[in-house]
Amino acid sequence: DAKTTQPTSMDCAEGRAANLPCNHSTISGNEYVYWYRQIHSQGPQYIIHGLKNNETNEMASLIITEDRKSSTLILPHATLRDTAVYYCIVRPMNSGGYQKVTFGTGTKLQVIP
Amino acid sequence: KAGVTQTPRYLIKTRGQQVTLSCSPISGHRSVSWYQQTPGQGLQFLFEYFSETQRNKGNFPGRFSGRQFSNSRSEMNVSTLELGDSALYLCASSPTGEVNRGQYFGPGTRLTVT
Repeated sequence: DAKTTQPTSMDCAEGRAANLPCNHSTISGNEYVYWYRQIHSQGPQYIIHGLKNNETNEMASLIITEDRKSSTLILPHATLRDTAVYYCIVRPMNSGGYQKVTFGTGTKLQVIP
Repeated sequence: KAGVTQTPRYLIKTRGQQVTLSCSPISGHRSVSWYQQTPGQGLQFLFEYFSETQRNKGNFPGRFSGRQFSNSRSEMNVSTLELGDSALYLCASSPTGEVNRGQYFGPGTRLTVT
């Protein structure tokens, strides 16, 4: 499995965009980048995923560099409810149902009023 | 649809005992994965079941085992509990064998071993 590297913690002012970086320099061609977040004492929640194109959904945007070695999760207007640990992971798709996923320790995002 | 449910939510056991945790996936989901989360190690993959078969296994000792039933419900068992087994155990399900929109996690079972 490709490993990911994320900053341990970040702060963001409420209402501003939160940009969370992730390095995945050993990612393989068939591996997708997924982002989850975990609010205290809850199970992780899926946010977004992508292969090589930028993606956007109702929660966030995902920007993947052209060489796919890094990505950035963008929360356009952070709220206090976005305070959580954010995990960036990589995993293969369509590989016979291979589900093994390696989560790192993630980035603790603190949204400040 | 109801989300992933896990029972019990909290559990206290003594060293040397065994424990069984239960997970009910979202209706229609056939893949169930288990994870252990501790403050020091983060979220670690235990194993994954699909159609009653274990497909992937993480680096945990044989004391950790699991199974999946025909209705996709899954259980994990930890025998001869150790203090280091104290953790949040999370179950996640996904629709088929593939993770298209990601896995859906349950709230977890908080196991404390004394």
